[in-house]
Amino acid sequence: NAGVMQNPRHLVRRRGQEARLRCSPMKGHSHVYWYRQLPEEGLKFMVYLQKENIIDESGMPKERFSAEFPKEGPSILRIQQVVRGDSAAYFCASSQDWISGNTIYFGEGSWLTVV
Amino acid sequence: AQSVTQLDSQVPVFEEAPVELRCNYSSSVSVYLFWYVQYPNQGLQLLLKYLSGSTLVKGINGFEAEFNKSQTSFHLRKPSVHISDTAEYFCAVSDREGGATNKLIFGTGTLLAVQP
Repeated sequence: NAGVMQNPRHLVRRRGQEARLRCSPMKGHSHVYWYRQLPEEGLKFMVYLQKENIIDESGMPKERFSAEFPKEGPSILRIQQVVRGDSAAYFCASSQDWISGNTIYFGEGSWLTVV
Repeated sequence: AQSVTQLDSQVPVFEEAPVELRCNYSSSVSVYLFWYVQYPNQGLQLLLKYLSGSTLVKGINGFEAEFNKSQTSFHLRKPSVHISDTAEYFCAVSDREGGATNKLIFGTGTLLAVQP
C-alpha cells in the first residue's frame, strides 16, 4: 500500500540546467499538490492539479516553473534554467478529492541543490 | 486570506516533561486546523486535525490539541515527551469554504528538541 512516491530524492543541478521532479500519488488519489520548503521556512503552496488540469497555480513563480499531471503517469514539476535560490525541498502531496478538511498525504520530498 | 503564526522556532525540553507548541491563525473565513510532524529528511505526517465538534482533538503518538476560537489558537500538547518526538512540527489551516481546492497554509514550524 504505497504512499506518495517522489523521485529523485536528491537532485544536484548546475545553474542554468533544468530540474524535473516526479510524483506518483497514493493509489486512488487523483488530486496532487506541490509545496516548496526553503531553508528555515515552512512549506509554501505552489500548485494544485487534477488529472490533465491545473486547478490552482497561485503559488507558482511566474517564470521558469511549470507543472503537469497527465492522464497517464506521474505529476511532473519542471524548473527551467535553475538558479541558486531554487535550492529547496519540494514536497508532493495527494488527496482523494478536493474537499477542504480531508487529509492530504505527503511524500518524502525531493531535495534540489543548485550549484 | 489566511496566515499561521508559530512564535516559537525552537522548543527545548527534557525527556518525560510536558510540552506545548503554540499556533495562532488569522483568517477572514472559517478554517480547518491541522498539525503535521516532519522527522529529519522525511515528509510530513499528519498528527491530528480539527474539523468540527469537540474542541479537544486527540492525535497519534499521544499528542492532543485544543481549538480556541476566541483566541484563534490551536496549541499542541503532550504530557510527557520522548527522545523520539524530536522533530519539526507544523501547524496549518485550510479554508473551510475552500471551493474547488483543499490547499494548506503552513506556519514556519517549531523544532521540538527533546534532551535526555
